[in-house]
Amino acid sequence: EAQVTQNPRYLITVTGKKLTVTCSQNMNHEYMSWYRQDPGLGLRQIYYSMNVEVTDKGDVPEGYKVSRKEKRNFPLILESPSPNQTSLYFCASSLSRGVPNTEAFFGQGTRLTVV
Amino acid sequence: AQSVTQLDSQVPVFEEAPVELRCNYSSSVSVYLFWYVQYPNQGLQLLLKYLSGSTLVKGINGFEAEFNKSQTSFHLRKPSVHISDTAEYFCAVIPTGGGNKLTFGTGTQLKVEL
Repeated sequence: EAQVTQNPRYLITVTGKKLTVTCSQNMNHEYMSWYRQDPGLGLRQIYYSMNVEVTDKGDVPEGYKVSRKEKRNFPLILESPSPNQTSLYFCASSLSRGVPNTEAFFGQGTRLTVV
Repeated sequence: AQSVTQLDSQVPVFEEAPVELRCNYSSSVSVYLFWYVQYPNQGLQLLLKYLSGSTLVKGINGFEAEFNKSQTSFHLRKPSVHISDTAEYFCAVIPTGGGNKLTFGTGTQLKVEL
């Protein structure tokens, strides 16, 4: 079954304590990205990766890091979380750029609360 | 740059009634258009997409959308909704010239009532 798997689904942490949200896809997709979803703002892209070892900033990258050492995995790292990073996070993957039949597959989401 | 506007943040409707969720976009280049649905506590899944050709596209669960280039709109419709259609709906665009970045609207919460 084609899927994008995120872990954990729910996380409560304290300000400043480093955390990692994992994302893995089994569709051999080249493009992966992270979004955050906030009420009234929709989904905003944090970082994206076009292939292994190729990552770039999205619209709201401050306070986040990513890495793409393997094609299937794209973890999101918060080195020093702050309360304004409390949000619902989604990982997504899709075929490479230039492919018109582009459908993004989304993970189930990670609800993060920073206190 | 692209932007997507979904003016209705919430749309209440009775079961078996028709519904239209509005989406307008702004872009200096041509775009592909998508509607995604998010059921409670789940990720987003593709409802339908417009790439080219016929401006009326049909998706899953009886939904359809019509692309109107002159009005830069891509409204989503369903002639008769069901309780199970209660969800949040997102309109999104990608430039046709390349790239995978989806630009989303702020979403419309559809609430179907008995």
